Amino acid sequence: GIQVEQSPPDLILQEGANSTLRCNFSDSVNNLQWFHQNPWGQLINLFYIPSGTKQNGRLSATTVATERYSLLYISSSQTTDSGVYFCAVRPISGGYNKLIFGAGTRLAVHP
Amino acid sequence: DVKVTQSSRYLVKRTGEKVFLECVQDMDHENMFWYRQDPGLGLRLIYFSYDVKMKEKGDIPEGYSVSREKKERFSLILESASTNQTSMYLCASSSFWGGDSYEQYFGPGTRLTVT
Repeated sequence: GIQVEQSPPDLILQEGANSTLRCNFSDSVNNLQWFHQNPWGQLINLFYIPSGTKQNGRLSATTVATERYSLLYISSSQTTDSGVYFCAVRPISGGYNKLIFGAGTRLAVHP
Repeated sequence: DVKVTQSSRYLVKRTGEKVFLECVQDMDHENMFWYRQDPGLGLRLIYFSYDVKMKEKGDIPEGYSVSREKKERFSLILESASTNQTSMYLCASSSFWGGDSYEQYFGPGTRLTVT
């Protein structure tokens, strides 16, 4: 089945720093989502981005479907950005509606 | 805004009990999903439903069943809870039209402990 790899696994930043999180996937997809899981466990939708570039405030994301990767950019990080960031994809072949999740990037932003 | 709610944030049950986890969405979505999340194993799909009374097994359906009697409500049932079902359970929903399904939205999760 499709493999979803996220890097780095862990990231520590000082408040105000910028960062880039990467998601590589091994097969063609027709759905890609980025989530932030807060300390209470809720998955917050950040982007629905099967292709192209989107921006939402300090966050932006780019997916290059033909090269099978997506990037999440966080600028001017804040302590509230801490948590785990997940990339999830839905493969074109098989899997019906299922999302396949990466292992996540654990981000800690220190004041 | 899409809203997905789950009946409990925290639940403690005893081994052998029958457990019901309820999920409700308010966006008239066709698809609904149950995942569980465990450290080191990530999120795994238990069951999903693409219509009322319709269901499909996910990756780890053993020990679970589901019920979808109304479009907005999807229930996960642990027939006889066991300690290895201690986990975080997450419900999600998405729309489905034109032969494709779209963005999934998640509920707040239920942390279930089976003792």
